[in-house]
Amino acid sequence: DAGVIQSPRHEVTEMGQEVTLRCKPISGHNSLFWYRQTMMRGLELLIYFNNNVPIDDSGMPEDRFSAKMPNASFSTLKIQPSEPRDSAVYFCASSQDIGYTFGSGTRLTVV
Amino acid sequence: DQQVKQNSPSLSVQEGRISILNCDYTNSMFDYFLWYKKYPAEGPTFLISISSIKDKNEDGRFTVFLNKSAKHLSLHIVPSQPGDSAVYFCAASHTGTYKYIFGTGTRLKVLA
Repeated sequence: DAGVIQSPRHEVTEMGQEVTLRCKPISGHNSLFWYRQTMMRGLELLIYFNNNVPIDDSGMPEDRFSAKMPNASFSTLKIQPSEPRDSAVYFCASSQDIGYTFGSGTRLTVV
Repeated sequence: DQQVKQNSPSLSVQEGRISILNCDYTNSMFDYFLWYKKYPAEGPTFLISISSIKDKNEDGRFTVFLNKSAKHLSLHIVPSQPGDSAVYFCAASHTGTYKYIFGTGTRLKVLA
């Protein structure tokens, strides 16, 4: 099993640009989560999907953030327009029951 | 409002000694707790968990203790090894939700 796959690993973009982060969960896992890691707040849950349906998006910081899961094997997190304060490591995780498997993360830098 | 708190951002321990990482939570509905370990440039990986029906769970060198009345859990690593140097996150959840709330992490450094 290849695990949870995220792309890109690193993204550097200019303020105001659109950024799309991608995630392929583990096959058979029915829950998918997007987290953001910052020094101040640790791992913050942004949104989670169950069976491709968004269940809780209360952690999405602003309307600039959106997430989709068009099928069981793919999810995107989009930021438009991006701002320097969005700079962080974004993790995707998937789960079948108890506990998550995390991807390696995307380090986003907005300059 | 931080429902899961790790008040020590960092900890240094000598190799062979015990490492104790602490975590406090505020939501009394939480009934399942996990610890994750994270190395640089990698995603967090699951380490050990405990259900609220227990007060201790042990797995090799790692033991998690849960004090429900104090809303406190701790992770003990004995003996500590240099390879244990990482950031440790505690996380909590309650029955009926797939959602885990994570703390801010504690960076452990084990000195050789």
